[in-house]
Order: sequence, then C-alpha cells, then structure tokens
Amino acid sequence: EGQLVETGGGLIQPGGSLRLSCAASGFTVSSNYMNWVRQAPGKGLEWVSVIYGDDYTLYADSVKGRFTISRDSVENTLYLQMNRLRVEDTAVYFCVREEGYFRLWGRGTLVTVSS
Amino acid sequence: EIVLTQSPATLSLSPGERATLSCRASQSVGRFLGWYQQKPGQAPRLLIYDVFHRASGIPTRFSGSGSGTDFTLTISSLEPEDFAVYYCQQRTNWPWTTFGGGTKVEIK
Repeated sequence: EGQLVETGGGLIQPGGSLRLSCAASGFTVSSNYMNWVRQAPGKGLEWVSVIYGDDYTLYADSVKGRFTISRDSVENTLYLQMNRLRVEDTAVYFCVREEGYFRLWGRGTLVTVSS
Repeated sequence: EIVLTQSPATLSLSPGERATLSCRASQSVGRFLGWYQQKPGQAPRLLIYDVFHRASGIPTRFSGSGSGTDFTLTISSLEPEDFAVYYCQQRTNWPWTTFGGGTKVEIK
C-alpha cells in the first residue's frame, strides 16, 4: 500500500526558511497526486498544496508566494520549501497521497515558528 | 471557497450509543464529501468517501448520508476505539479542498 515519512521540521525564527521532505516507499510519488496538509496545535486540518500530472502545482492562499512544493522521482521524495515563515505557520505538516480523497498519510513533522 | 461547518463541536456519549455528526456546506458539494477520523498523536484516516462509500477496512458501524449541502456521519454503536475527532472534507472543486472544523466524540 505504501508508506510516507516526513522529516525536516523544527524550531525556526519568523522570517526564516525550512525545507520539509517526505520519503515515499511502495509507490512512486511522480505518478501520484501528492499533497501537504497542516494542523496547527489543537486546531483542525488545513490543506496547503498539491502537485500532480506534469508537475502542476496549487497552493492555499495562506502560503502562496512563500511555499513551493516539488518532487524528485529519483529520490522518490516530496518536498515543501517554506520561506518567509510566520508564527501562524506553526503546525504539524502531513504528506498525503491522494486518490480522489486523502487515503495515505505520513505521521507528520512539527514546524514551530517562534522567536 | 466552500466552507464546511461541523456540529456539534463536542459530542459526549457512552460506549454502545449511537453517534450522529453533522457537516453543512456553504454551497452544494454534490456527492464529493468525505469523512476522516483522527486520534491523538496520529494522522487522520479516511472513513467515508463520496458521501456514503466506506474506505477499505472501515467497519460497517460507520455510515454516511446526505446530499447537496447537508451531510451526516453515523456511528451505529460506539466502540471504545471510536472516541476521536472527526473531520469532513469536500472535493467538489478538486484539486482545491477544504475541511470542516471537526467534531470531538468523547466518553461521557
């Protein structure tokens, strides 16, 4: 069925940058619709970004222009480059494989933006 | 953006009782509505897709219904492992998507 493992989270100051990685096994990220979803502490789920087809990408308005989703077919890994981070970007970031709905989730990686 | 409003925010019930969770959309989402379960410290898990189809491995005590703007997730008889937070999600304007704010089902 597959597995997703996110890494790269941590504590970062406002205005800083961070790159999250999501290593996939059991399937190829380049052949699937891949998403990032985040969850602020104690809050609900927020869709962040998707990459699909010939690397078409879409972003939530809250991150557009600051975050970039990408994937590497050789490493079979999904990425999220996060720039100009804000306190409100603090969340657990989940990597998700989509098949119409979000059927395969990673365990998430925590990003904390704080001075 | 389609807004999903879930109610109640918290549902306090005992094992064996029936749980009825509501999800209302700000505009019609057709049949493109799903439900997820999330337990503390875990990723969400897909329960129901396209209003009433159970995802692989989901017990039959979980059922979905509704159409247009009003949807319901029913758990016919709560098991101890069902106490969790439940989210609805719409896919009608794919690949954009939104989630509801969640309903926490807690032990009474």
